[in-house]
Amino acid sequence: NAGVTQTPKFQVLKTGQSMTLQCAQDMNHEYMSWYRQDPGMGLRLIHYSVGAGITDQGEVPNGYNVSRSTTEDFPLRLLSAAPSQTSVYFCASSYLGQGDYTFGSGTRLTVV
Amino acid sequence: ILNVEQSPQSLHVQEGDSTNFTCSFPSSNFYALHWYRWETAKSPEALFVMTLNGDEKKKGRISATLNTKEGYSYLYIKGSQPEDSATYLCASNTGNQFYFGTGTSLTVIP
Repeated sequence: NAGVTQTPKFQVLKTGQSMTLQCAQDMNHEYMSWYRQDPGMGLRLIHYSVGAGITDQGEVPNGYNVSRSTTEDFPLRLLSAAPSQTSVYFCASSYLGQGDYTFGSGTRLTVV
Repeated sequence: ILNVEQSPQSLHVQEGDSTNFTCSFPSSNFYALHWYRWETAKSPEALFVMTLNGDEKKKGRISATLNTKEGYSYLYIKGSQPEDSATYLCASNTGNQFYFGTGTSLTVIP
């Protein structure tokens, strides 16, 4: 049982480049979400999904896109990376309404 | 956006001491309060979920209480051990959106 798998673990991008952070879970969780973690700011919700085909914005959605074509996968896309998007990104999932998140191991992204 | 606050920001205790820290959250539109344990270089791990005023949860030497009327939760660690060293996060959610505090960093000195 792999839980929540995030790839890559580390990434360096140049300003303006695009990339996709991958997140997959094998627990049949309906709810999936993306957070970014910045010093002194705690975890902030970027986007979330309550099921395949349904996504919604969180607290800090600007500059990020998501899609949920399957229950298992919830990729996060940076269309044109900016230095302000340098952060550690976490994907998390749970059964809907239960709220006990299982977190991925994180992706450390640096935009130069 | 919910304002979830945790105090203290960091804490150093001697092995064997008991300690506690606080999470405060808006009491209106409350749904659930979550505590997570986050060790360095690992992912946050769920400790407790509490929904009802007066809820108390316990896992080994760690316990938590919830007061939804005044908007706070306490996390207690009895007889702290070096392996308890971690950041303890709380989060409050209204429906599908979770709001995390910035955490309390606990260091237990052997």
